[in-house]
Amino acid sequence: AQTVTQSQPEMSVQEAETVTLSCTYDTSESDYYLFWYKQPPSRQMILVIRQEAYKQQNATENRFSVNFQKAAKSFSLKISDSQLGDAAMYFCAYRRTGNQFYFGTGTSLTVIP
Amino acid sequence: DTAVSQTPKYLVTQMGNDKSIKCEQNLGHDTMYWYKQDSKKFLKIMFSYNNKELIINETVPNRFSPKSPDKAHLNLHINSLELGDSAVYFCASSPGEKGEKLFFGSGTQLSVL
Repeated sequence: AQTVTQSQPEMSVQEAETVTLSCTYDTSESDYYLFWYKQPPSRQMILVIRQEAYKQQNATENRFSVNFQKAAKSFSLKISDSQLGDAAMYFCAYRRTGNQFYFGTGTSLTVIP
Repeated sequence: DTAVSQTPKYLVTQMGNDKSIKCEQNLGHDTMYWYKQDSKKFLKIMFSYNNKELIINETVPNRFSPKSPDKAHLNLHINSLELGDSAVYFCASSPGEKGEKLFFGSGTQLSVL
């Protein structure tokens, strides 16, 4: 079974500071994809960043980057220079073969002005 | 020109009623999904369809019945609504190609009174 664990139900960060959200997953597959989605109060699910398991290089998207540790099955999200608009729920997701996606329980991020 | 659209956005109904949520995607994707997001924000897959065929049916009460008339549509019908069915229901689609993300609709907030 594939499971995704986010151990931090809530996190807070000062505006302009850096915060890291944790995610671990369990799988027996070697080829898979990992994602971070953001859900602001508007409820819309927005893709933040994606990582291919066969790529060793960590993905980056502007202020967002990941620390992908395949052997440890860890996929953390780093948000640099945090902005008020980053306040949201963040979900880690795992995509296995067969095009199925599984989500973690989410981390609620508060950005303090 | 919304990619994944679901209607209605809000649905308030009484226990015991039957209701439907409609979903349409204009992206030409092969796979469509229904996810349920409960009050704790946990996103759980309910159903997955690939080209109108059911692929995943997680442990969901048989009061929930998905219907896919064509690969662009996946509707969700719920019979005999219960209080515990109150949640946000998300429709999503994916092209099925490796690494592609999930494209989400804006969600339907169902409140059962």
